[in-house]
This record gives sequence, C-alpha cells and structure tokens, in this order.
Amino acid sequence: AQKVTQAQTEISVVEKEDVTLDCVYETRDTTYYLFWYKQPPSGELVFLIRRNSFDEQNEISGRYSWNFQKSTSSFNFTITASQVVDSAVYFCALMNNNAGNMLTFGGGTRLMVKP
Amino acid sequence: DGGITQSPKYLFRKEGQNVTLSCEQNLNHDAMYWYRQDPGQGLRLIYYSQIVNDFQKGDIAEGYSVSREKKESFPLTVTSAQKNPTAFYLCASSKTGTIYNEQFFGPGTRLTVL
Repeated sequence: AQKVTQAQTEISVVEKEDVTLDCVYETRDTTYYLFWYKQPPSGELVFLIRRNSFDEQNEISGRYSWNFQKSTSSFNFTITASQVVDSAVYFCALMNNNAGNMLTFGGGTRLMVKP
Repeated sequence: DGGITQSPKYLFRKEGQNVTLSCEQNLNHDAMYWYRQDPGQGLRLIYYSQIVNDFQKGDIAEGYSVSREKKESFPLTVTSAQKNPTAFYLCASSKTGTIYNEQFFGPGTRLTVL
C-alpha cells in the first residue's frame, strides 16, 4: 500500500517570509512519480510539478523550489518570499508504476499568507 | 480553450434523491476520474475510466455510479445509497498510453444534502 503524509494541516506566514511545506511518502515501488498541486479558493487543482523517482535533483521555478530526498522519502516544497496570492491548499501526491495514472493524495496543507 | 468543465458549481439535494454531476473535457484525453474531497481532507478516488464504455471502481465507489458513453463526458450519479454525500466533487482527465501523465482538474461541484 502507498501513503502520502502532509503533517502540517495549516501554516500561517506574513508576506515575504519563506515557507516550506512537508511531504513524506510511503511506497514499495522503486519507480514512481511525485506531484504537487495547488488548490486556490476557487477549488480547481492546479498542477505545479512532477518528479520521477530516479531524479533527485532539486528544482527551482521562480519563487518555488522542491527538495526530493529518497533517503528520507520526502518531497518538500518551498515558497520563497511568499505573497498573498500564494494562499491556498497545497497537495502532495504519489503515482506508482502499478496503478496506471492513479494518484494517492496527502491530506493537504492550508497556507495562509497575511499582508 | 481546452479544459475541463463541471456543472453545476453548486448543487443542493434533498435526502433520498439521486443527483447527477456533469464533467466534460475537450483535451482529447482517454482517461477520466472522479474524486471526492471532504473539508480539511485530501482527495479520494470514486471511479475512473481509461477508455470509452469501460470504468473501474476507486476507493470509495459505494453509493455512486458512472457512465462513459463518450470520450468527452464522464457523468457521476450520487445515489440515495450514499450515506453522507455532502462534499466537494472534482473531475479530472489525463492522457494514457504512457505512464505518469499528470491529471488535469475541473473547477469542481459542491454538493449539499439538505
């Protein structure tokens, strides 16, 4: 069985602070993909990043960066210089080799960025 | 523009009534999915379909039914057998043929049982 845990249910920061959202996963597969999605108040999930299990290089996209560490089964997401528009629920998800395109989601982290 | 549409955005239902949620996509995706989201929780898979006229149960299929008569459409019926149907329902689609295709999501339907 596979599982995704986002231990932080809610985080509140002040604008311009950096914030890291944690994601820990469990899977028996050696080949898998990890995803991050953003859910703004409108409700629609927006795809942010996909990372395969063989690529542990960190990735940076503007103010967003991701740290993938297989040794700790973690795929953490950092927002640098947070903005009010970053306020949303963020989901980490796992897709493994035996489940087609099925996603296992974490419980989500609600990020509130205050001006 | 290509995308996924869900209707209605808000839906109210009396106890004991069946209700159907619409999901349409024009992304030419073969696979479509239905998820349920409860407050403060992640998404749970209800049903999915990898091809027209075929669909499979997800983790929480009891009390729900689906059909896939057209590639573009994957309606979800919430039946009276669903004990606690009040939730936010999200539809998604993805390519198939290669693995690890990201899913694209619709705007969701919020269902409230009165």
